[in-house]
Amino acid sequence: QKEVEQNSGPLSVPEGAIASLNCTYSDRVSQSFFWYRQYSGKSPELIMSIYSNGDKEDGRFTAQLNKASQYVSLLIRDSQPSDSATYLCAVNSAGNTPLVFGKGTRLSVIA
Amino acid sequence: GAVVSQHPSWVICKSGTSVKIECRSLDFQATTMFWYRQFPKQSLMLMATSNEGSKATYEQGVEKDKFLINHASLTLSTLTVTSAHPEDSSFYICSARDIGSYEQYFGPGTRLTVT
Repeated sequence: QKEVEQNSGPLSVPEGAIASLNCTYSDRVSQSFFWYRQYSGKSPELIMSIYSNGDKEDGRFTAQLNKASQYVSLLIRDSQPSDSATYLCAVNSAGNTPLVFGKGTRLSVIA
Repeated sequence: GAVVSQHPSWVICKSGTSVKIECRSLDFQATTMFWYRQFPKQSLMLMATSNEGSKATYEQGVEKDKFLINHASLTLSTLTVTSAHPEDSSFYICSARDIGSYEQYFGPGTRLTVT
């Protein structure tokens, strides 16, 4: 059974701080890793993808991947109240198999 | 960025009727599309995987005769909820996987209410 684990939260951070979201996965052969943001009542939105070990930065977002530890993280710098949402970690093993999603971490950025 | 559209965005229907939901990838091709359902405050639940030109693969517990999926082209998949009942009321979301990047993008969802 392929699993993706996330802390459900809520994770509360003050405005302007760094929010750190973590995710672990069970399938060692996983190749593709994604972070989605989902606002309440809306569909998920892809915000980051990462495929190789190390860091990948896009604006205020940095994804980090450590395949040896089976660990993916998302850092959000200068957090804003508009970042308050549920963040979903998703992992793909190979080809056209469905993504395996974590249950999501609810982030609350306090103004 | 990649855009996936869904139509309709919301629909109300009477019990026993059928509803068709369309999912289109607007600026990329998708050999594979996915259909999800999400109840309030719950996680996404994968219903089926749809491959262009072949039969959909349904997840355990999802009735294939009730949720008919057709993936007629590289940019269009449809989900038909047949003989809908109030318990089918939910938020249905499609997702399309870009052939080139393997990134997966979600449509805005369809909110179905069966009365």
